[in-house]
Amino acid sequence: GNSVTQMEGPVTLSEEAFLTINCTYTATGYPSLFWYVQYPGEGLQLLLKATKADDKGSNKGFEATYRKETTSFHLEKGSVQVSDSAVYFCALSDRIGGSYIPTFGRGTSLIVHP
Amino acid sequence: EPEVTQTPSHQVTQMGQEVILRCVPISNHLYFYWYRQILGQKVEFLVSFYNNEISEKSEIFDDQFSVERPDGSNFTLKIRSTKLEDSAMYFCASQGEGTDTQYFGPGTRLTVL
Repeated sequence: GNSVTQMEGPVTLSEEAFLTINCTYTATGYPSLFWYVQYPGEGLQLLLKATKADDKGSNKGFEATYRKETTSFHLEKGSVQVSDSAVYFCALSDRIGGSYIPTFGRGTSLIVHP
Repeated sequence: EPEVTQTPSHQVTQMGQEVILRCVPISNHLYFYWYRQILGQKVEFLVSFYNNEISEKSEIFDDQFSVERPDGSNFTLKIRSTKLEDSAMYFCASQGEGTDTQYFGPGTRLTVL
């Protein structure tokens, strides 16, 4: 079956530091890959996505590249801000029957200090 | 920008009681989903719904759970007889035709005492 593995958190950084959150996946098909962000007390928000190998998703300074050869979709940001403090979920979406069913990683908590 | 809404934001109930969680998906979306997230754990798929019927469901979605789209806008999740282990955040999501991107609501925190 499909699975997503994320690095354990929390990740604690100082403002303006470089961020990497690792994500690897196992899938039988050719899924789309996503990063969702969950700010404290809120729901999941789509941060970025990539639909095929070598695609790069980007949004709000975050980037992730779909690497089929390493089955990875690592999230990066060059300079984090305090407002980026949140939980980040990597996910893949595969078509099962008529629905796209995502498989989520466990989430990685990011804490950014001023 | 259109968004998915959920009510209530927090529901407290006694064990054995029925609860109904409500969602208003994005208006032109056709696929609807429920997920749950037990505190500190991963987001888990419960059920998907399309064309007024369940498309897929997980092993979590047992006979205690049901979903309904009673009118053109609401999408509900009913838990018939709540258990302590049903305490979690419940997220609704909707998805348009021809895309695999789901948009999530803010969630309902269910606390079963």
